Amino acid sequence: GEEVAQTPKHLVRGEGQKAKLYCAPIKGHSYVFWYQQVLKNEFKFLISFQNENVFDETGMPKERFSAKCLPNSPCSLEIQATKLEDSAVYFCASSQTASGYTFGSGTRLTVV
Amino acid sequence: KQEVTQIPAALSVPEGENLVLNCSFTDSAIYNLQWFRQDPGKGLTSLLLIQSSQREQTSGRLNASLDKSSGRSTLYIAASQPGDSATYLCAVMNRDDKIIFGKGTRLHILP
Repeated sequence: GEEVAQTPKHLVRGEGQKAKLYCAPIKGHSYVFWYQQVLKNEFKFLISFQNENVFDETGMPKERFSAKCLPNSPCSLEIQATKLEDSAVYFCASSQTASGYTFGSGTRLTVV
Repeated sequence: KQEVTQIPAALSVPEGENLVLNCSFTDSAIYNLQWFRQDPGKGLTSLLLIQSSQREQTSGRLNASLDKSSGRSTLYIAASQPGDSATYLCAVMNRDDKIIFGKGTRLHILP
């Protein structure tokens, strides 16, 4: 399809629980990016993939956060043992090359 | 429905020149506007964030202005350098929390 599909739209987790977010990029787009936006502020880059391979993970917290993009499956971002400060909107974007960014509508994670 | 347009789509300027990138949006009821930089294959780097109540923000050689009533924002880059070559994206956040991106301006600074 021509849109980046993120699921679920909203996710509520108790502190310490696991959270898993999904992103289906646009068909044919090689790059997938994950961003975290806290309190409507700047986007924080987390990780990018080129096909199934991690391209840039400089923004990824070393602990608790992991991500995958496997063939024929939506990409996923997983947070183990969520903390209150993980509450944010997580955006996924895909692009074909270096331009033509398309963002999904985001997953709002609330940790209580 | 909010639409964000960036003009020009591509721009080449000699090193050292000052330049302006333009962004326009159709619905002035925005929460904020951000300018980003994207390097090939890399993630977005946030450059400047302007809240709807603000008129401009400055960071180093960059200055972003916001005119909500006319639905326009500009990103001014002073004394351009080859390292400024990248795609620059403008994004507005609506009051319903939706973020709409422009398609970007590909900037090439000629050494």
